[in-house]
Amino acid sequence: DQQVKQNSPSLSVQEGRISILNCDYTNSMFDYFLWYKKYPAEGPTFLISISSIKDKNEDGRFTVFLNKSAKHLSLHIVPSQPGDSAVYFCAAREETSGSRLTFGEGTQLTVNP
Amino acid sequence: NAGVTQTPKFRVLKTGQSMTLLCAQDMNHEYMYWYRQDPGMGLRLIHYSVGEGTTAKGEVPDGYNVSRLKKQNFLLGLESAAPSQTSVYFCASSYRAAGNSPLHFGNGTRLTVT
Repeated sequence: DQQVKQNSPSLSVQEGRISILNCDYTNSMFDYFLWYKKYPAEGPTFLISISSIKDKNEDGRFTVFLNKSAKHLSLHIVPSQPGDSAVYFCAAREETSGSRLTFGEGTQLTVNP
Repeated sequence: NAGVTQTPKFRVLKTGQSMTLLCAQDMNHEYMYWYRQDPGMGLRLIHYSVGEGTTAKGEVPDGYNVSRLKKQNFLLGLESAAPSQTSVYFCASSYRAAGNSPLHFGNGTRLTVT
């Protein structure tokens, strides 16, 4: 049962344009959502998070939007840069589940110069 | 400040062999985790620990054992490796397991079982 899904395995955008990465979830009890970025041969690194009581969180070029009614969140990167090319993972945490952080499948973002 | 260190980086095993993956963190984190990453399946939790001397099963624990004898170390063992355990294994640690407290990951161990 895949509770966190990233339906787009890959996304290609031009440098300077907006990148939008999407994530859907099924568990309405998730309290927090985190985005991670992963370069080849490295571990994932934390990018940005959002609480379920908010609908938007912004950090520089990165903004995460949460639509609880649709059980959908998205990560916007503006403007996109070639160095943003990486795999992006969406993850969700339910406070009552203790330590579990549930990850999506990942989306490979390629930013073309 | 090394963060989370995993050894080895690569390993090839024959079916039935055993091995231990080592994870060390220098951030004094209470929580440690082992994930595996497979194509199209994201990161799946194998086992985790909420403190020294504790371990718990995650999403895909079968075929693996873990130990947390010291706070800074978390070991993942494969007693009898199978081709289905070919994967990239990531260790992670966190200060808390709540809220938006992020996990800090190591750079992974690529394991191939033939």
